[in-house]
Amino acid sequence: DMKVTQMPRYLIKRMGENVLLECGQDMSHETMYWYRQDPGLGLQLIYISYDVDSNSEGDIPKGYRVSRKKREHFSLILDSAKTNQTSVYFCASSLFWGGEQYFGPGTRLTVL
Amino acid sequence: GQQVKQSSPSLTVQEGGISILNCDYENDMFDYFAWYKKYPDNSPTLLISVRSNVDKREDGRLTVFLNKSGKHFSLHITASQPEDTAVYLCAAGASNYGNEKITFGAGTKLTIKP
Repeated sequence: DMKVTQMPRYLIKRMGENVLLECGQDMSHETMYWYRQDPGLGLQLIYISYDVDSNSEGDIPKGYRVSRKKREHFSLILDSAKTNQTSVYFCASSLFWGGEQYFGPGTRLTVL
Repeated sequence: GQQVKQSSPSLTVQEGGISILNCDYENDMFDYFAWYKKYPDNSPTLLISVRSNVDKREDGRLTVFLNKSGKHFSLHITASQPEDTAVYLCAAGASNYGNEKITFGAGTKLTIKP
């Protein structure tokens, strides 16, 4: 059963705190993605990773960084979280770019 | 600006009718087009995708039409059913090696009325 997991599912942080969102996949997919979803804006691509240590900025990378040290794990890091980073964050993976993306269940992050 | 636009935030269709969801894009380099379906509090799942070398693809009740000159693609759902009620996200991308990105539209909420 192909699966993308995200931890945690819900997170509340204070402004200025660091945030680590984790994503895992068990399909040996090369490509992984981090998106955020806000009302009226759909899914916005934050970062894309083509493989281990091969990451590229998406459309809204400012305020975020990523880490991919193993093919099956892709982390999203917020250094000094801001209130406007309150959102639902989705991780996804695909076998290759342009292939079907499998999405995780999402992480609802609230920054107070 | 938004590179992929879904101009209708919502659409209501009678059960049994044809649902037509539209998506416009700006980037001439886009060569991959997809539709995802999302239920509330769930993750998006791929419905159907096409490459730019075809202008139509059918899969059961779903058909994607691609109009490259008009930078427009659409999803037609025939014999619409209540379980088709969901948010539909269009996505487009360009396969420039090393710079592949996929951009999603904001979504259209489709409601099928019994």
